[in-house]
Amino acid sequence: NAGVTQTPKFQVLKTGQSMTLQCAQDMNHNSMYWYRQDPGMGLRLIYYSASEGTTDKGEVPNGYNVSRLNKREFSLRLESAAPSQTSVYFCASITSGGNNEQFFGPGTRLTVL
Amino acid sequence: KNEVEQSPQNLTAQEGEFITINCSYSVGISALHWLQQHPGGGIVSLFMLSSGKKKHGRLIATINIQEKHSSLHITASHPRDSAVYICAVPLSGGGADGLTFGKGTHLIIQP
Repeated sequence: NAGVTQTPKFQVLKTGQSMTLQCAQDMNHNSMYWYRQDPGMGLRLIYYSASEGTTDKGEVPNGYNVSRLNKREFSLRLESAAPSQTSVYFCASITSGGNNEQFFGPGTRLTVL
Repeated sequence: KNEVEQSPQNLTAQEGEFITINCSYSVGISALHWLQQHPGGGIVSLFMLSSGKKKHGRLIATINIQEKHSSLHITASHPRDSAVYICAVPLSGGGADGLTFGKGTHLIIQP
């Protein structure tokens, strides 16, 4: 039982390049989330998927797109990376609703030059 | 949107001391989360509570729903407790629409 996995662990991009961050969970969780963590800001929600087939914007969605590929996988895409997107990205999942424990992936450290 | 305030932002203590970290939020919630993050590491859920008090080993979390306030206590602190402790609540009070987080308390326990 791997929990929540994320790839890659580290990535360096040039401004304007695109990339997709991958996230998968093997706990049969319904809801999945993408957060970013910046120094002094705390974690902020980018997008979430309350259930398979649905996605919704969070607090800071600009510059990102997501795909809930199936119940296990939730990807985050940067179409044209900007230096302001330099951050650590965490994927998380829960069973259902907001009253359950959140399980976090190990994070992806992204630098945009 | 719920707002979360944590205090203190930084805390340095000696091994063995009793530690208290505070969290307040602005909108009524269904549950509050306490998380731990070691330097360069991932995020681990410590507690999720909706009322009263929970205890895991040397860690105790309490919540007062009426006052919109929670505390995380560490008894007999140890250098391995050094980490960032983060309080989080549902963005809109409840449901599956994600969490909003405090900025974290950076705790250092010196031997």
